[in-house]
Amino acid sequence: EVQLVESGGGLVRPGGSLRLSCAASTSTLNNYAMNWVRQAPGRGLEWVSIISRGGDLTYYGDSVKGRFIISRDNSKNMLYLQMNSLRAEDTAVYYCAGEGFSIWGQGTMVTVSA
Amino acid sequence: QSALTQPPSASGSPGQSVTISCTGSSSDVGAYNFVSWYQQHSGKAPKLVLYEVSKRPSGVPDRFSGSKSGNTASLTVSGLQTDDEAHYYCSSYAGDNNYVFGTGTKVTVL
Repeated sequence: EVQLVESGGGLVRPGGSLRLSCAASTSTLNNYAMNWVRQAPGRGLEWVSIISRGGDLTYYGDSVKGRFIISRDNSKNMLYLQMNSLRAEDTAVYYCAGEGFSIWGQGTMVTVSA
Repeated sequence: QSALTQPPSASGSPGQSVTISCTGSSSDVGAYNFVSWYQQHSGKAPKLVLYEVSKRPSGVPDRFSGSKSGNTASLTVSGLQTDDEAHYYCSSYAGDNNYVFGTGTKVTVL
């Protein structure tokens, strides 16, 4: 069974940067597009970004476009999310999800606060 | 991209059925048969329970069923069990490699 484990969350000041990582337990997910989805405290799910299998195509939700960068390293079974110019409204649990959103990690909390 | 609209809450007694709606637009739910549903227990990650409107992933019981008409998709949970008490979210492909989620519905088993 494929497992995803996110890391890299924490407390960051507004305007700061943070890099999230998502480690896959097998190389199976290298065959699938991968996503980041976030959930603000007490709120619903919000799609953030998607990256193609090969990593050459990336797309973003309007709320993070121009500030976040998704990438992957298939040789390491890793997915990343570089988050720049962070705002208070970016505070959320960030999940990585793959294989058509059928596999999810446990999430990592990002808090943007002064 | 606006979130898909779901009722905030729904409830039913054990053994009964509950149906949750998910209303979007002609640009997302109405345009594609790529509607999915997720179950999220408190403090846990979401779990896919339906994809492509009505298909069930391996391991999901047939008590979970889905349909779509126009811009509205629906999830029905039959034979309610206590473990079905959770938040449920729909999602849809919205074109141009974008996805949109629903506002979420809290299902309570009375």
